[in-house]
Amino acid sequence: EIVMTQSPATLSVSPGERATLSCRASQRVGTNLAWYQQKPGQAPRLLIYGSSIRATGIPPRFSGSGSGTEFTLTISSLQSEDFAVYFCQQYKNWPPITFGQGTRLAIK
Amino acid sequence: QVQLVQSGAEVKKPGSSVKVSCKVSGDSFSSHGVNWVRQAPGQGLEWMGGIIPIFRTTQLAQKFQDRVTVSTDESTSTAYIELRSLRSDDTAMYYCASVPFRQRADPGPYFFDYWGQGTLVTVSS
Repeated sequence: EIVMTQSPATLSVSPGERATLSCRASQRVGTNLAWYQQKPGQAPRLLIYGSSIRATGIPPRFSGSGSGTEFTLTISSLQSEDFAVYFCQQYKNWPPITFGQGTRLAIK
Repeated sequence: QVQLVQSGAEVKKPGSSVKVSCKVSGDSFSSHGVNWVRQAPGQGLEWMGGIIPIFRTTQLAQKFQDRVTVSTDESTSTAYIELRSLRSDDTAMYYCASVPFRQRADPGPYFFDYWGQGTLVTVSS
């Protein structure tokens, strides 16, 4: 099983600033990495797939990078609606499909 | 626009079973791959299993193979997950999620583009 580890657990950033979230895989997953955003009481929302490809309707302030075992989600200028929990997910090997434990992006 | 609409919240006794439904609209259900992901209160996401669209077979996480059945009814465009021998640690929000069109010719694994609203299953005596 590929273990996904996200850091930090909580990131406090001021609106308008840049946020950088990390995700590490226990084995190489190539670019088979997706990012999701989840707000309280809502289902996850796909942001990024293929490590760096924005999903339909996702604004360009969201960008993903990385390959192999190290991945980054960057939000260039935080808006109020961006404060949420973010999960990474590998889809290189299964079963199982595995997710990181999440990073909570909080307002500073 | 694809929509996944799930059945309502359930309260179950330990040892019983629950069956959650997910109705898909706005897309060709026969080529869909509905997968199931659960989230315990305050916790992360856990993939349980789902349909491999190109083969129309199921793939399950090993920890659920003895207790979970994933099925579909194409006549109603509805997917189901049944979880048996419920325990208190099965208390969670259960989500269905769809395999994106671009992935449906692949044998998996997948990421997911559309999600249902979630079904809360509470297991309590």
